[in-house]
Amino acid sequence: EPEVTQTPSHQVTQMGQEVILRCVPISNHLYFYWYRQILGQKVEFLVSFYNNEISEKSEIFDDQFSVERPDGSNFTLKIRSTKLEDSAMYFCASSGGTGNTGELFFGEGSRLTVL
Amino acid sequence: DQQVKQNSPSLSVQEGRISILNCDYTNSMFDYFLWYKKYPAEGPTFLISISSIKDKNEDGRFTVFLNKSAKHLSLHIVPSQPGDSAVYFCAASQGGSEKLVFGKGMKLTVNP
Repeated sequence: EPEVTQTPSHQVTQMGQEVILRCVPISNHLYFYWYRQILGQKVEFLVSFYNNEISEKSEIFDDQFSVERPDGSNFTLKIRSTKLEDSAMYFCASSGGTGNTGELFFGEGSRLTVL
Repeated sequence: DQQVKQNSPSLSVQEGRISILNCDYTNSMFDYFLWYKKYPAEGPTFLISISSIKDKNEDGRFTVFLNKSAKHLSLHIVPSQPGDSAVYFCAASQGGSEKLVFGKGMKLTVNP
């Protein structure tokens, strides 16, 4: 069964460092997303991406964050200068049809720990 | 800003019995609701959804009920199985938005 894959599964970084989280969405999907879950809190929407551009973003997704689809398969989230509060599980997701059906397929997540 | 609320953090039921998971929302513009299930060390997995034009949607052992006037939805699992033990998230979206708003989740434990 097709799945969304994410790397790394866990990354530890120092505050102020740049981090890139990588995702390979399901191959025929058109919509791509990043969500995050801070420990003990709810899953929060960060950004959606369609047709090679950001289609929607939350207030969390400030100038420190960027997304890119550098080739036909990868979808990346970059955090330019990490802060302690960026520590969270980051989930990539993709969907195939219209973006708002909600039937997102999530990856297993990348745990980011900022020290 | 808790637009989607799952007020009970956990629920424990016996195998074979019914599990009822509740969810409340505050944003009357939400028109699509979903339940996701999450096992440890995995991402959320879509379970079932319902559009605001319906009040019930059923898929096998899973039924979601929507009460728009009360801004309340519930997920019924019957019969519950030990493999259903997971964290369940309620989520909602509003027309045209790709953003899902999640609740905090509820941990369901089904005891053999």
